[in-house]
Amino acid sequence: GAGVSQTPSNKVTEKGKYVELRCDPISGHTALYWYRQSLGQGPEFLIYFQGTGAADDSGLPNDRFFAVRPEGSVSTLKIQRTERGDSAVYLCASSSGGGGTSTDTQYFGPGTRLTVL
Amino acid sequence: AQSVTQLDSHVSVSEGTPVLLRCNYSSSYSPSLFWYVQHPNKGLQLLLKYTSAATLVKGINGFEAEFKKSETSFHLTKPSAHMSDAAEYFCVVSRSGAGSYQLTFGKGTKLSVIP
Repeated sequence: GAGVSQTPSNKVTEKGKYVELRCDPISGHTALYWYRQSLGQGPEFLIYFQGTGAADDSGLPNDRFFAVRPEGSVSTLKIQRTERGDSAVYLCASSSGGGGTSTDTQYFGPGTRLTVL
Repeated sequence: AQSVTQLDSHVSVSEGTPVLLRCNYSSSYSPSLFWYVQHPNKGLQLLLKYTSAATLVKGINGFEAEFKKSETSFHLTKPSAHMSDAAEYFCVVSRSGAGSYQLTFGKGTKLSVIP
């Protein structure tokens, strides 16, 4: 079956612009996660959704970052007033468990590479 | 809080020889531990996970890892490397129970396989 998909695969923008990154989780997965992977680093947790609500947004770096999941499926990560330091690969993952536990395997998408000039 | 340290940023082995990728963890809680693999332009794929059951964990593609609490280690091994194993490998820790969805990744080890 189809895995997690993310669009676009690459996004180049200018400093100060607004960007949206989209994630389509595996069908039926209730939990969705966003991570950010900077060059030479492992992914870092940003936010976790259970259904439509953000259950944990403690990893969002500042208020320029926001994510939504209005119908409990597709999610959009929104970045306002982009800065060069936002350049990274943004990864989305989904899992089937209702409680979001460590036994609940997270399936990752291929990521969106964001470059801020 | 939890963290992982991958002791080698790059490991190079010859095809057919054993693979050892080293990982040490730190956790204030009883941890769950994982290894993920990332091939170029592909999503992260789970190789194996330890969640307080058997300490020797077998994963996909012939990989296995042993949880050693006394050494706070979770090293990944494979008896014989294949060319298709060339990729980046991440050791990951999470806490057990509440909040366990939040994965903490190491910086990664790039594995090269020489023909």
